[in-house]
Amino acid sequence: EVHLVESGGGLVKPGESLRLSCAASGFTFSNAWMTWVRQAPGKGLEWVGRVSAGGTTDHAAPAKGRFTISRDDSKNTLHLQMSSLETDDTGVYYCVREGYNYGYHSLDFWGQGSLVTVSS
Amino acid sequence: QSALTQPASVSGSPGQSITVSCTGTSSDIGADNYVSWYQQHPGKAPKLIIYAVTNRPSGVSNRFSGSKAGNTASLTISGLRAEDEADYYCSSYRRGGNLVFGGGTELTVL
Repeated sequence: EVHLVESGGGLVKPGESLRLSCAASGFTFSNAWMTWVRQAPGKGLEWVGRVSAGGTTDHAAPAKGRFTISRDDSKNTLHLQMSSLETDDTGVYYCVREGYNYGYHSLDFWGQGSLVTVSS
Repeated sequence: QSALTQPASVSGSPGQSITVSCTGTSSDIGADNYVSWYQQHPGKAPKLIIYAVTNRPSGVSNRFSGSKAGNTASLTISGLRAEDEADYYCSSYRRGGNLVFGGGTELTVL
């Protein structure tokens, strides 16, 4: 059974940093493209970025230069390092598997999400 | 403002059909067939219900169907049920590498 379990969320002040992790199990993690999607309170979904199976990363414009996505295939773990956090970064961050079972760029399995709150 | 445009809300009675539109550009929806749809119930993670414009993942009801014409994709739900009440999001791959989402559509089953 597939599991994606996020951790590391919490309350931080503007300008601070935070690292989210996502522990994966139930599939061959090293073969999977992995994506982060966030959702501000009461708002829609927003793509944050992805890391391919080979380690290539893409980041959405709001995340470029502040967020870094990485993976540790030896530990089946995905990371999202966030720095210079702003209040607009507040939301639930989902770890998502991309294009594994159902074609390119479909997000076929989602974690339960980790809440990040940026507030002074 | 979201990259893809969806109506904020739609509604229908049990047994009826509804359609949710998702409008993009020739750089995303119109460029390839990488359009997906997601269902999200309150407090839950989204769930993939349509991929590659028209395909359903295993276990998703055949009451859900997808289509595309030009730069606009559509999700149709037939035989509406109370449990279909949720938020629905479209997404598309955009040339250059990004994934883009619609703003979401709230479905109310009357």
